[in-house]
Amino acid sequence: DAKTTQPNSMESNEEEPVHLPCNHSTISGTDYIHWYRQLPSQGPEYVIHGLTSNVNNRMASLAIAEDRKSSTLILHRATLRDAAVYYCILVSSNTGKLIFGQGTTLQVKP
Amino acid sequence: DTEVTQTPKHLVMGMTNKKSLKCEQHMGHRAMYWYKQKAKKPPELMFVYSYEKLSINESVPSRFSPECPNSSLLNLHLHALQPEDSALYLCASSQVTLFKREEKVKQYFGPGTRLTVT
Repeated sequence: DAKTTQPNSMESNEEEPVHLPCNHSTISGTDYIHWYRQLPSQGPEYVIHGLTSNVNNRMASLAIAEDRKSSTLILHRATLRDAAVYYCILVSSNTGKLIFGQGTTLQVKP
Repeated sequence: DTEVTQTPKHLVMGMTNKKSLKCEQHMGHRAMYWYKQKAKKPPELMFVYSYEKLSINESVPSRFSPECPNSSLLNLHLHALQPEDSALYLCASSQVTLFKREEKVKQYFGPGTRLTVT
């Protein structure tokens, strides 16, 4: 299973954009890039996913490098409720297995 | 309805007890998962069921016994657990489709059962 590398922690100010980076240099052609987040005392929550092109949804945007070896999750205006652990995960479309890395703990300051 | 429910929320059991965790979803998903999450660590996959059949067992000790009695329900039977098995146990589900394979990998998680083994 391909692995991802993320910073352990990041800080942001409320209402400012946040860019959460992820490196995945061993990504294969059938791997999707998924982001989940886990708020305190809750199960993980799907945020966004992509394969090759940049993606937008109501929660966030996902920017994928042209060589697919890295990606960035963008929260356009961080709120206090966005404080969570954010996981970048490579998911094989063959197995559907989610292999979580250590994730990035995002702190949002008022 | 995009909810996965898990019961109980909390469970304390002795090492000689037998207990079960329950997970339910009514989204029509045919893939269901059990994960284990220790404090301050990421979730770790334990089991995957696809169409009510066990498809992946990530070398989990036999004291954990999964069961999928129907397409909406997933159980995890616990017996002779050790204190190091204390953790948050998470259930998830996802669609299984031949035509949109990427949809299979979008998983919906329940809130988990906090298990303490004494």
